[in-house]
Amino acid sequence: SAVISQKPSRDICQRGTSLTIQCQVDSQVTMMFWYRQQPGQSLTLIATANQGSEATYESGFVIDKFPISRPNLTFSTLTVSNMSPEDSSIYLCSVRTGVDYTFGSGTRLTVV
Amino acid sequence: AQSVSQHNHHVILSEAASLELGCNYSYGGTVNLFWYVQYPGQHLQLLLKYFSGDPLVKGIKGFEAEFIKSKFSFNLRKPSVQWSDTAEYFCAVTPAGSGNTGKLIFGQGTTLQVKP
Repeated sequence: SAVISQKPSRDICQRGTSLTIQCQVDSQVTMMFWYRQQPGQSLTLIATANQGSEATYESGFVIDKFPISRPNLTFSTLTVSNMSPEDSSIYLCSVRTGVDYTFGSGTRLTVV
Repeated sequence: AQSVSQHNHHVILSEAASLELGCNYSYGGTVNLFWYVQYPGQHLQLLLKYFSGDPLVKGIKGFEAEFIKSKFSFNLRKPSVQWSDTAEYFCAVTPAGSGNTGKLIFGQGTTLQVKP
């Protein structure tokens, strides 16, 4: 299965600022996803990151708030824009290789 | 759109008790099903998965799950839990075949607390 390097692992940010999270995969993958896990809750899919085209967002998530880049088949970034305390969560990237899913170690974001 | 429902939000058991966590999904087509575990402060770890074949799937650490297509269910079981099984458990589903968008949708999660 693929190996994912996600960074930063954690950050504390001021409200109104933006944070970009990076996800690097050790092999080329077609399907890459971004999830949010709010405190004590399950994983919610934010978007599917498509290589060469705009990301596909799930209901409740918009590009202006969570812009995503996917410049190639091994890398993606998620930006959390104009942050508020409600954005405090763990953000994870995930890839699908064959029939398996691999998850990054997550970015624990605290907005103060 | 598909969805996943886990009925038990918080389960408390004593060691050696048997465990069954419920998972139901809503999707009319063929699905691939997963159970993940998240130990406190750790990453998601795959317990087991079902794609086809024998509906009784065995996973790591003595866990198993049974896919019942007619009930749209994929319940997780373990005959005898240990204190180390204390964790959050997530059921997840993705459509298979022509409906496969690759998106993995998670249930709400079940917190299992095992008392020593």
